Amino acid sequence: SYELTQPPSVSVSPGQTARITCFGHALPNQYAYWYQQKPGQAPLLVIYKDSERSSGIPERFSGSSSGTTVTLTISGVQAEDEADYYCQSTESSGSPHVVFGGGTKLTVL
Amino acid sequence: EVQLVQSGAEVKKPGESLRISCKGSGYSFTTYWITWVRQMPGKGLEWMGRIDATDSSTDYSPSFQGHVTISVDKSISTAYLQWNSLKASDTAMYYCARLYGHYFDNWGQGTLVTVSS
Repeated sequence: SYELTQPPSVSVSPGQTARITCFGHALPNQYAYWYQQKPGQAPLLVIYKDSERSSGIPERFSGSSSGTTVTLTISGVQAEDEADYYCQSTESSGSPHVVFGGGTKLTVL
Repeated sequence: EVQLVQSGAEVKKPGESLRISCKGSGYSFTTYWITWVRQMPGKGLEWMGRIDATDSSTDYSPSFQGHVTISVDKSISTAYLQWNSLKASDTAMYYCARLYGHYFDNWGQGTLVTVSS
């Protein structure tokens, strides 16, 4: 079955740049999406179609794609950005089956 | 404002049945698919399946096919997730979400299901 691979954890100091990667063999042909989940809350869409920022998401959040890897970048990280981040995609445009990455815990030191 | 409001937390015994709900408002309910996502304690998100709110057609993840049933009552803008015989391993938070193309743009608040003898 199709898998998306994320690092389990990323740590940065406030004001630095955090980069969270997501690897999947179908990502050159399928869009990726990113969700933020804070403790006790439902996931929140952050980035759609690789690099489009969802409504209300701060400009410090951006997304990019390069081959089989997509990256969520948070510039000037703030304490409130500490959360779990999940990438999501599908294996093919004709497949209804959604896949999530394992999630990355972002720790703001 | 688009809202998905889920039913409250449930505590059940193994072998019992359960149906949880997800009511949509603030948009045309039958225009979108509704999906269900499981999150086991301390773990990541798992896609369970989806339902077309127009005609009730469904797609399930192979991991959940045959273990749960997704249904919808479009007359009351509500989707359901149902188990016929719960197991302890079904203990988890369950989220519904609106499917917009290939992603989820609005989520319910989650329903915690605890299965314990």
